[in-house]
Amino acid sequence: TQLLEQSPQFLSIQEGENLTVYCNSSSVFSSLQWYRQEPGEGPVLLVTVVTGGEVKKLKRLTFQFGDARKDSSLHITAAQPGDTGLYLCAGTYSGAGSYQLTFGKGTKLSVIP
Amino acid sequence: KAGVTQTPRYLIKTRGQQVTLSCSPISGHRSVSWYQQTPGQGLQFLFEYFSETQRNKGNFPGRFSGRQFSNSRSEMNVSTLELGDSALYLCASSSRGSGNTGELFFGEGSRLTVL
Repeated sequence: TQLLEQSPQFLSIQEGENLTVYCNSSSVFSSLQWYRQEPGEGPVLLVTVVTGGEVKKLKRLTFQFGDARKDSSLHITAAQPGDTGLYLCAGTYSGAGSYQLTFGKGTKLSVIP
Repeated sequence: KAGVTQTPRYLIKTRGQQVTLSCSPISGHRSVSWYQQTPGQGLQFLFEYFSETQRNKGNFPGRFSGRQFSNSRSEMNVSTLELGDSALYLCASSSRGSGNTGELFFGEGSRLTVL
């Protein structure tokens, strides 16, 4: 069973601060996705990374995929209350069922105005 | 276009009963996946269907089953409910065919409470 660990589990910061959340696995990902889930809603895809070392930016969010494709990070610059939510990473692994996404337990972010 | 629709949104059952949840994917999407979300375990994969065939199954007991119809709508069934089955059940559709990096579009979920 593939295990995908996210840290920290909870994060509470003031508006305007920067933050980084991490996603790690002992196995190599074929691809990795980041989702954000708000209360009462399903997760919404933010980004997909597939190449080791890849960096993608989405406004104030920067996603990085590790060179070895075993880890990823999400950095938020100047966090805003609208960034509040549960951030989930999800990976697919070579050899596993190709249509199965394994999710981390998520990082619950609260941005205080 | 309309998103993924799940029904019912909320339901309460008692132990031993069974439940059927429904999911209508985005029009044109042939892949439907089901996940169970709990505070302790996060999102756990139940199964995925593509063109009425189950392509992959997670680590859940046989009490959990599903099916997909010719119009891509999917249902999942849980029999002999246990307290631990209380969770948010999420359905996700995708346009992915043979690849595995397609975006999943999630519904709002069906929140099941077992008393």
